[in-house]
Amino acid sequence: GAGVSQSPSNKVTEKGKDVELRCDPISGHTALYWYRQSLGQGLEFLIYFQGNSAPDKSGLPSDRFSAERTGGSVSTLTIQRTQQEDSAVYLCASSSNRGRETQYFGPGTRLLVL
Amino acid sequence: DQQVKQNSPSLSVQEGRISILNCDYTNSMFDYFLWYKKYPAEGPTFLISISSIKDKNEDGRFTVFLNKSAKHLSLHIVPSQPGDSAVYFCAASGSRGSARQLTFGSGTQLTVLP
Repeated sequence: GAGVSQSPSNKVTEKGKDVELRCDPISGHTALYWYRQSLGQGLEFLIYFQGNSAPDKSGLPSDRFSAERTGGSVSTLTIQRTQQEDSAVYLCASSSNRGRETQYFGPGTRLLVL
Repeated sequence: DQQVKQNSPSLSVQEGRISILNCDYTNSMFDYFLWYKKYPAEGPTFLISISSIKDKNEDGRFTVFLNKSAKHLSLHIVPSQPGDSAVYFCAASGSRGSARQLTFGSGTQLTVLP
């Protein structure tokens, strides 16, 4: 079946602009996660959605970052007034909600802020 | 403060030999551990996992060992194949309500030489 998809695959933007990154999770998966990987670093947790519960935003690095998940499926990560340090690969993952479920990752969006 | 550490950024192994990738963690609340493999320009792919109630889990050529007292886990690949060349990430999660956010290490680049 279809895996997690993300768009765009690459995004180049100018400092100060806003960007939106999209994630389509695996159908039927109720949990959705956003991570980012900066150059030479491991993956850093950003935000987690589970069903209709309030999202866990504890990993968002600043208030310029926000995310929403509409209809319990597609999610959009928005970065306002982008900065050069926001350049990274943004990865989305989803999992079903049956205990310790494996997270399945999309291919990521490579964001470059000039 | 890195809670999951992969101290070897790279490892080279001859084809057919054993690859051993190591990971250390500091948070005693972690109770579930995973290994992901990542090829360039792709998202991480789940490889194998282990719960803290076990000390070994095997799946084909891949075996994960967990030493809870040392807060150490390792991934053994035997025999290693050139197609195993990738970045390997160790990840951990712990009980945090229903959230299963993963904390990742910085990765180890494995190169299997033909």
